[in-house]
Amino acid sequence: SAVISQKPSRDICQRGTSLTIQCQVDSQVTMMFWYRQQPGQSLTLIATANQGSEATYESGFVIDKFPISRPNLTFSTLTVSNMSPEDSSIYLCSAGVRAGELFFGEGSRLTVL
Amino acid sequence: KQEVTQIPAALSVPEGENLVLNCSFTDSAIYNLQWFRQDPGKGLTSLLLIQSSQREQTSGRLNASLDKSSGRSTLYIAASQPGDSATYLCAVKDSNYQLIWGAGTKLIIKP
Repeated sequence: SAVISQKPSRDICQRGTSLTIQCQVDSQVTMMFWYRQQPGQSLTLIATANQGSEATYESGFVIDKFPISRPNLTFSTLTVSNMSPEDSSIYLCSAGVRAGELFFGEGSRLTVL
Repeated sequence: KQEVTQIPAALSVPEGENLVLNCSFTDSAIYNLQWFRQDPGKGLTSLLLIQSSQREQTSGRLNASLDKSSGRSTLYIAASQPGDSATYLCAVKDSNYQLIWGAGTKLIIKP
């Protein structure tokens, strides 16, 4: 299995500011992903974080709004830029390991005022 | 297009009962299926992963089955406890390695 640490665990931010969420995995993994979960909803994939290259974004998500870094096989960051109240969500980092099993961090709960 | 459905959306049972959560999918060409639990405001905990070639997986009081021909998976929880209260999500990885999520079943175990 993989242990995934995310920080911050929660934050309250002002409209128009940006927040960077960090994700650290306790072992080298091939695949890392960022998800968003809006209140009462299931998970929506934002992007796949690619090591050493630009992230692969899903439809509806763009790099200018959600820049992602992945400098190595154990670490990634997601920035939520120019935040609005609609960005209030739980943001989840996940990693794919052996045989395709997926593990998740504890999530970062973001509230934008 | 693969679709994943979880029924019921919510379930409340007394402590000690055995129960079954259902997950159905429309395309049987899957790579694997994974069950998760999520506590309120928290991340997801992986419970069981069933590969396409497998029929079931067991972990403690949990047993997950997979029937690709009928497009169904069940998660069986034996001797339920209040600590089992959570939302249970199933996710299907399709043949293109895309993960398709169900909406979840919110389970409440009453003491």
